[in-house]
Amino acid sequence: KNEVEQSPQNLTAQEGEFITINCSYSVGISALHWLQQHPGGGIVSLFMLSSGKKKHGRLIATINIQEKHSSLHITASHPRDSAVYICAVRVMDSNYQLIWGAGTKLIIKP
Amino acid sequence: GAVVSQHPSWVICKSGTSVKIECRSLDFQATTMFWYRQFPKQSLMLMATSNEGSKATYEQGVEKDKFLINHASLTLSTLTVTSAHPEDSSFYICSARWGSGSRSEQFFGPGTRLTVL
Repeated sequence: KNEVEQSPQNLTAQEGEFITINCSYSVGISALHWLQQHPGGGIVSLFMLSSGKKKHGRLIATINIQEKHSSLHITASHPRDSAVYICAVRVMDSNYQLIWGAGTKLIIKP
Repeated sequence: GAVVSQHPSWVICKSGTSVKIECRSLDFQATTMFWYRQFPKQSLMLMATSNEGSKATYEQGVEKDKFLINHASLTLSTLTVTSAHPEDSSFYICSARWGSGSRSEQFFGPGTRLTVL
């Protein structure tokens, strides 16, 4: 079992739908990252969380440390949101070691 | 939020040449910079960790003579792929850490796509 699991692996939705991508982990962490990778490979940092909830535009990220789970939500999804979304956790007391999820490929159809 | 830039964003080179990739933290001083490599359809793989003014720490299996890392200042780290070969073609991503301990944050560059012909 991977230490960081993302679900779903692939997600196709219609424009306007509310999107949820999940990330579960089994190690103790000091922080969790959500990244977006576009088809050309470019990486964008979306959030870094250690507790609670963060919001930026149509994106919301939450984390529940006790349940070892984080979710990334996209409201009013748009075709330009189509990308791979990657969750990565920073292992506690590890000198910034990151464990990466496999990514969730999101396609938003117009 | 803080910005990390990489230059170039893509590069094509001939086999045997060396390629330098720059990673800059634009609005903060980065105590530590990380270099990752991503193979197609795979997750990011940490190559090395570098602290300003000291030698980089390479992950197991990464050739330090092949992938030269220089972290000359708190805002600039460079990765030089020496004598590049087609198998070095990949997507290289840097990230920079601000702060320390629980008050640190890590920001990612957009990546550099290297194609070696």
